[in-house]
Amino acid sequence: EAGVAQSPRYKIIEKRQSVAFWCNPISGHATLYWYQQILGQGPKLLIQFQNNGVVDDSQLPKDRFSAERLKGVDSTLKIQPAKLEDSAVYLCASTRAGGGTDTQYFGPGTRLTVL
Amino acid sequence: GENVEQHPSTLSVQEGDSAVIKCTYSDSASNYFPWYKQELGKRPQLIIDIRSNVGEKKDQRIAVTLNKTAKHFSLHITETQPEDSAVYFCAASKGSGGSNYKLTFGKGTLLTVNP
Repeated sequence: EAGVAQSPRYKIIEKRQSVAFWCNPISGHATLYWYQQILGQGPKLLIQFQNNGVVDDSQLPKDRFSAERLKGVDSTLKIQPAKLEDSAVYLCASTRAGGGTDTQYFGPGTRLTVL
Repeated sequence: GENVEQHPSTLSVQEGDSAVIKCTYSDSASNYFPWYKQELGKRPQLIIDIRSNVGEKKDQRIAVTLNKTAKHFSLHITETQPEDSAVYFCAASKGSGGSNYKLTFGKGTLLTVNP
């Protein structure tokens, strides 16, 4: 089966600019996650969707970050305006079902550099 | 919320030796503990996982042990090979079959296997 797809793979912007990332999960996977991975650290969950509904966005900086999954398939994550500390790899992951202990499959990530 | 501590942050071994990485978690309700391997510039990939009803699980050269009383779990790699060199992340979550499933990651261990 095809894996989780993400684009772009790399993005360089200046602070205060806006940026958007796209993710297409594995076909049939109901749950989609966005993680932020700062260099030298483990991934940190930003938001979790089940189908097109938000399950957990407690760690999403809502003043600048937003995400949507309108049709319950692909998703976009937006940052507006970006700050220097947003420089990180943004990983998307998906699982088949909504809960339990299903394996999370990760995409290749988008490396964001904010200058 | 859940907090996962991982040690050591770096580990260097000679090819053929064993490597052990240890993690502790704070939430006694956590019941799913996956380990991910992340090579430089690539996506995290699941290598092994364990659930709270099992104390040990083995897959060829990789094994994971879980001590729920002490709230710690460990990754053991035997007969290490240069291709085992990567960053390894432990994670913990409470899988409830509902909306509370989310992974909390440790900060990672950079494993270097010297030929």
